[in-house]
Amino acid sequence: GAGVSQSPSNKVTEKGKDVELRCDPISGHTALYWYRQSLGQGLEFLIYFQGNSAPDKSGLPSDRFSAERTGGSVSTLTIQRTQQEDSAVYLCASSLAGGWGQPQHFGDGTRLSIL
Amino acid sequence: KQEVTQIPAALSVPEGENLVLNCSFTDSAIYNLQWFRQDPGKGLTSLLLIQSSQREQTSGRLNASLDKSSGRSTLYIAASQPGDSATYLCAVEYGNKLVFGAGTILRVKS
Repeated sequence: GAGVSQSPSNKVTEKGKDVELRCDPISGHTALYWYRQSLGQGLEFLIYFQGNSAPDKSGLPSDRFSAERTGGSVSTLTIQRTQQEDSAVYLCASSLAGGWGQPQHFGDGTRLSIL
Repeated sequence: KQEVTQIPAALSVPEGENLVLNCSFTDSAIYNLQWFRQDPGKGLTSLLLIQSSQREQTSGRLNASLDKSSGRSTLYIAASQPGDSATYLCAVEYGNKLVFGAGTILRVKS
């Protein structure tokens, strides 16, 4: 595709509900990343995929957060039992290969609001 | 802890001025450093990427330098324009993740 695509662009949900955020990376990019951008915390790394495996999950803030990637392409970030502090913009990025100086290309993000 | 700091936090300049944005990082074991631009409500647009072995990169009116030993990078914008108004983010790659600074909010007045 032309760029990294994320859906939905906006999501409003009630506290305690589960949400799924989707990321469609640039075609041919084997590496995929999730970041979170919130007021007061800036942009924080969540998880990195190389192909379908996630060698680095160190940024996931709690066990309510999980992510998977299938077919080496689309990724889904799931937040269970959402809390108000989960409100943020969730950004996805992809690159040709993980690390080694490849630029990361970002989508426009999903703005998540927890009521 | 790997930290990235950007100075100034905000900058307002008249159109046509040359300006410098600063970025510093605590851990010099970097793979590369990337400068991004973010417009309100949008994702990040990559401006320049400097590999750890490089000293600078140029693209149009933008020039970024890297001094890995001192943990510093600067983004130089020549002849600023109102369309340059945005948040500029510095990000350092450590292995498989980017560590971001808090950004510099730039406003160029016409």
